[in-house]
Amino acid sequence: DAGVTQSPTHLIKTRGQQVTLRCSPKSGHDTVSWYQQALGQGPQFIFQYYEEEERQRGNFPDRFSGHQFPNYSSELNVNALLLGDSALYLCASSLGSLGVQPQHFGDGTRLSIL
Amino acid sequence: AQKVTQAQTEISVVEKEDVTLDCVYETRDTTYYLFWYKQPPSGELVFLIRRNSFDEQNEISGRYSWNFQKSTSSFNFTITASQVVDSAVYFCALSEARLRGQNFVFGPGTRLSVLP
Repeated sequence: DAGVTQSPTHLIKTRGQQVTLRCSPKSGHDTVSWYQQALGQGPQFIFQYYEEEERQRGNFPDRFSGHQFPNYSSELNVNALLLGDSALYLCASSLGSLGVQPQHFGDGTRLSIL
Repeated sequence: AQKVTQAQTEISVVEKEDVTLDCVYETRDTTYYLFWYKQPPSGELVFLIRRNSFDEQNEISGRYSWNFQKSTSSFNFTITASQVVDSAVYFCALSEARLRGQNFVFGPGTRLSVLP
């Protein structure tokens, strides 16, 4: 039973570039959420996708956008990268979007901005 | 607004000691869910427990136990007879029930070091 998988594992970009991170949910899950975790801090909620729609969004600018595909996998896109975007980006999946079921997390993508 | 506070930034104990990690939350909702996650050095967040706001029963799972008190908005986590493998960052999280999606709020985490 595959868990949540994220790619790539590590990524290095420069300021102003754009990046796309990918996530495949745990088998049987239909909801994907994305988080940004800066070093030494707790994860910060970016947004959640369910039925290919953005259902909830945290306090992140429009430079952060996403997409969910019919197979429930998801992408996180970040435009005009800033140094402050350097962080671990975590994807979490769950069954249903109402907060009843716990989220299962992937290993994350470590994004470094030079 | 939702908020989760974990006042203990770092805790160090010697193996076999008991340790309690504190979590205090704020919410205006009457229906909500509380979670604890463990993040070992490898980075993956591991789900430990979920508790809904209507169930104040304490729970024990092996060496782990949780004390949920709505009166003080606390959801504390105790590890009994700690082991070196318990060393990790522990996060408390809050999720409010919404008709459209959920929004998890995580606390800043408590780094637990269990020394041999």
